[in-house]
Amino acid sequence: EVQLVESGGGLVQPGGSLKVSCAASGFTFSGSAVHWVRQASGKGLEWLGRIRSKAGTYATVYAASVKGRFTISRDDSKNTTYLQMNSLKTEDTAVYYCTRHQPIAGYGLDVWGQGTTVTVSS
Amino acid sequence: SYELTQPPSVSVSPGQTATITCSGDKLGDMYACWYQQKPGQSPVLVIYQDNKRPSGIPERFSGSNSGNTATLTISGTQAMDEADYYCQAWDSSTALFGGGTKLTVL
Repeated sequence: EVQLVESGGGLVQPGGSLKVSCAASGFTFSGSAVHWVRQASGKGLEWLGRIRSKAGTYATVYAASVKGRFTISRDDSKNTTYLQMNSLKTEDTAVYYCTRHQPIAGYGLDVWGQGTTVTVSS
Repeated sequence: SYELTQPPSVSVSPGQTATITCSGDKLGDMYACWYQQKPGQSPVLVIYQDNKRPSGIPERFSGSNSGNTATLTISGTQAMDEADYYCQAWDSSTALFGGGTKLTVL
């Protein structure tokens, strides 16, 4: 079964850091880009950034709202992607999803994890 | 910054056709995708490359994209189609989402 499973969410104080993980199974992880998307309670989807595959030189790009604070990385030997979040703010409270994107022009984000909840509060 | 605009809500009677629009400057020059999200669940891709359906998505879901507007059409809408729908476009390497439309089937 093609699957993405996020983990590592939790409660963190403002200004703190948290690293969430996304484990892939059931497909050739090394050939896919991975995107991170978040959703605050009752709100819409917000794209955060992505990391390409090795063929794409592991290139990353970020949304302006998180650039300089969030870092996406991956370990293909573990079929896992990571989202390192620093200098967290209360407005970063959300469900965080990892998603798969295959290297096809115009293709969508076709596999989503179940999400992990990050709460930033004192 | 580039924005995609969707109506907050759309209502449709069972068996009728639901139309959800997504507007953006020269959106027709980009590829558009659509996602369905039901309460408490993760989003599901229902349309990609403007008008293609992933495996497992019913034929009643279709899409188009031209000019400044992408459209998701659900023919013969069923109660199970009640959900939030998000359009998404690719701007170079970044993904842009619309604000979402709540589809009510009543």
